[in-house]
Amino acid sequence: GAGVSQSPRYKVTKRGQDVALRCDPISGHVSLYWYRQALGQGPEFLTYFNYEAQQDKSGLPNDRFSAERPEGSISTLTIQRTEQRDSAMYRCASSPLAGGLVGETQYFGPGTRLLVL
Amino acid sequence: SQQGEEDPQALSIQEGENATMNCSYKTSINNLQWYRQNSGRGLVHLILIRSNEREKHSGRLRVTLDTSKKSSSLLITASRAADTASYFCATAVSGSARQLTFGSGTQLTVLP
Repeated sequence: GAGVSQSPRYKVTKRGQDVALRCDPISGHVSLYWYRQALGQGPEFLTYFNYEAQQDKSGLPNDRFSAERPEGSISTLTIQRTEQRDSAMYRCASSPLAGGLVGETQYFGPGTRLLVL
Repeated sequence: SQQGEEDPQALSIQEGENATMNCSYKTSINNLQWYRQNSGRGLVHLILIRSNEREKHSGRLRVTLDTSKKSSSLLITASRAADTASYFCATAVSGSARQLTFGSGTQLTVLP
């Protein structure tokens, strides 16, 4: 089927506004990951889900960042009271298996480029 | 924090030449993966090598892993202009962590 999709592809917002970034994983994939990528750097882990359960949120930088995946499929990453330092590419990835294999292949979406003015 | 560091940061070669990129990491791993990122596009998985493997091939790609030196290399043979991209190594750290930890990447430019 289709790959991982993310929306919007680009988001420009003013400092202090809240933003919600959406990820639609590959159909049937159990695990979903959020990463943040600064320009010229590799992605950095934010959080991940198995089904609807958030298994690890140790990468979320502060409490302005939250994520949910209420029905075990689509996920939303929300950033409240955005700051200029939040500007980055936000990438979502999914993988088919839960538990078991550590570090299995992840399938990445095209990302949402966030610019906070 | 970045677990892996790629070397070199940038590499420019002529079409048809081979390209070698290296990755070093710090902690014990379950596996190491290489991803490619084209300008304006997502990350694409290239190859995965497990900690008990030393070498793996996929088409024009050859990956080696030396766990004693905590390093890996990616060789692209007979490069093409379409191989121009950023290449990242990503490690799956041993233990319960599920996420991948990426390096900062090597920017490869293949000149026609």
